[in-house]
Amino acid sequence: KQEVTQIPAALSVPEGENLVLNCSFTDSAIYNLQWFRQDPGKGLTSLLLIQSSQREQTSGRLNASLDKSSGRSTLYIAASQPGDSATYLCAVGPLGSGYSTLTFGKGTMLLVSP
Amino acid sequence: GAGVSQSPSNKVTEKGKDVELRCDPISGHTALYWYRQSLGQGLEFLIYFQGNSAPDKSGLPSDRFSAERTGGSVSTLTIQRTQQEDSAVYLCASGNRAPYGYTFGSGTRLTVV
Repeated sequence: KQEVTQIPAALSVPEGENLVLNCSFTDSAIYNLQWFRQDPGKGLTSLLLIQSSQREQTSGRLNASLDKSSGRSTLYIAASQPGDSATYLCAVGPLGSGYSTLTFGKGTMLLVSP
Repeated sequence: GAGVSQSPSNKVTEKGKDVELRCDPISGHTALYWYRQSLGQGLEFLIYFQGNSAPDKSGLPSDRFSAERTGGSVSTLTIQRTQQEDSAVYLCASGNRAPYGYTFGSGTRLTVV
């Protein structure tokens, strides 16, 4: 059974710092990995989607990497801002038809202070 | 629509009552998923619909939970005889074939008192 772990569970940084969120998964037979952001009381917003054949994806100040063989992904946030404060969730999709249920980690709660 | 719409956004119900949660997926998305997020827990898969195929119900926690998807679009998640442990945020997501990702709704926060 796939298990997804995110470290740290919570992180507090001053504005402007670069930071890394970690995600690990136990079964490397994945189709893709997706990073989401969740604001309090809101649904999930997709940030980056990495296919298993890819090593990284970038969007603005965000960069996500994937090392499938070691079962790890990182989300790098450059020059953090207070608006980045949210819970960040990592989710993996198993090999299959392409339609698949995601297994989620419990998230990293990020607080960026002005 | 422009996004996945869920209603109601909040629901408070008495223990033992039945509740219905609604999800309107993005038009044209063939896959629809229900997840549950309990306090301090990760997202838990409940059920998955794909086109006209039989749904994957493997995540439903008990026979009090059921879901249907009418006309390949709107879905309703029904919880019968609600219990306090059913209190959670219920999230719906829709999507198309990979490599495209999922789009989530804002969820329904269910509180059973």
